[in-house]
Amino acid sequence: DVKVTQSSRYLVKRTGEKVFLECVQDMDHENMFWYRQDPGLGLRLIYFSYDVKMKEKGDIPEGYSVSREKKERFSLILESASTNQTSMYLCASSPYLGQGYTFGSGTRLTVV
Amino acid sequence: EDKVVQSPLSLVVHEGDTVTLNCSYEVTNFRSLLWYKQEKKAPTFLFMLTSSGIEKKSGRLSSILDKKELFSILNITATQTGDSAIYLCAVVSRVEYSSASKIIFGSGTRLSIRP
Repeated sequence: DVKVTQSSRYLVKRTGEKVFLECVQDMDHENMFWYRQDPGLGLRLIYFSYDVKMKEKGDIPEGYSVSREKKERFSLILESASTNQTSMYLCASSPYLGQGYTFGSGTRLTVV
Repeated sequence: EDKVVQSPLSLVVHEGDTVTLNCSYEVTNFRSLLWYKQEKKAPTFLFMLTSSGIEKKSGRLSSILDKKELFSILNITATQTGDSAIYLCAVVSRVEYSSASKIIFGSGTRLSIRP
């Protein structure tokens, strides 16, 4: 089974801190994604990557950046955390176009 | 702008009832439609639909896609308390001028099954 691992389940950070969320998948998937999930808004795409060093903005990229230096790892970076970035963050990967996505277990980030 | 809309937002039924969850979409370069079940953690995959009119079935759950009318339904028969969850619909589309794909989620339907 594909495994998508997110390094932290719960994080509490202060406003203005730089935050790194890490995601690792073990099945050589091309595509990786970062979403945030908020009540009433569903899952919204922040960034995705379809290859090493390649990245594309999703629907809500503002305030975030990403890094994909290796195929298996996709990092989400909050350059200067703000309280409106308090959310559940989900990483996902998929092998190729149109296939079902496998999600990590999520990181619940609280910015105080 | 691409969008996926689910209805109802919330539904409460009694155990044994049958429920139908709806998902409509407007996307360019449609590839497939996915249904997920989310309980306390991350969403778990239920179905992937690519062709119109072909029902996918897994136990008491079934789903069908209508690509002409741009919607899908998820049916759950003889509901059980373990079916209580958020059900997410998502559409996979191809990114223009690229071989990459992206996935857009609806806001989900919160289903509660009362014993």
